[in-house]
Amino acid sequence: GENVGLHLPTLSVQEGDNSIINCAYSNSASDYFIWYKQESGKGPQFIIDIRSNMDKRQGQRVTVLLNKTVKHLSLQIAATQPGDSAVYFCAGGSSGYSTLTFGKGTMLLVSP
Amino acid sequence: NAGVTQTPKFRILKIGQSMTLQCTQDMNHNYMYWYRQDPGMGLKLIYYSVGAGITDKGEVPNGYNVSRSTTEDFPLRLELAAPSQTSVYFCASTHSSGGYNEQFFGPGTRLTVL
Repeated sequence: GENVGLHLPTLSVQEGDNSIINCAYSNSASDYFIWYKQESGKGPQFIIDIRSNMDKRQGQRVTVLLNKTVKHLSLQIAATQPGDSAVYFCAGGSSGYSTLTFGKGTMLLVSP
Repeated sequence: NAGVTQTPKFRILKIGQSMTLQCTQDMNHNYMYWYRQDPGMGLKLIYYSVGAGITDKGEVPNGYNVSRSTTEDFPLRLELAAPSQTSVYFCASTHSSGGYNEQFFGPGTRLTVL
């Protein structure tokens, strides 16, 4: 199965800074990755995904980078806002499987 | 669409009691999942279902049971509650191949076993 984990448990940034949250995975068969945001007391919410045939994907203020060589992906949030404060999870999956494996999460704290 | 709904939002159980956590989705998703999330931890898969009448164990199935009689509903049953089952439980669903599509999550059920 997949083993997906995060490097930093807590990241503190100032409002307006760019944030980078990292994630490592161990299963070379993983070909699909998702980033979720979880606000306090709520369920995880989809942010952005990327498939292994890409190394970069951009959304609104967010960019996901995938480095298959070192089995690493990152989530970049531009101009971080207090509303971005949450726990961020990466998850990995494979097209041949029905499940995702989630990392432990990184808490992002944004100071005004 | 209401998406994925879960009831109850909160529950306190005594050791040995039983209960059913309800999960319903109105997106006609064929794949459904139950996770538990312990404080400061990620999501661990308890059970999942790829369609009505089909269920499979996840990473931490012991102490739980599920059924999937309809596409919409995927209840999770705790037969003999134990303190180790104190956690937040999330239900999720997705369409088509579950490993290749985002999962939509419910708001969670916070369970305390005393």
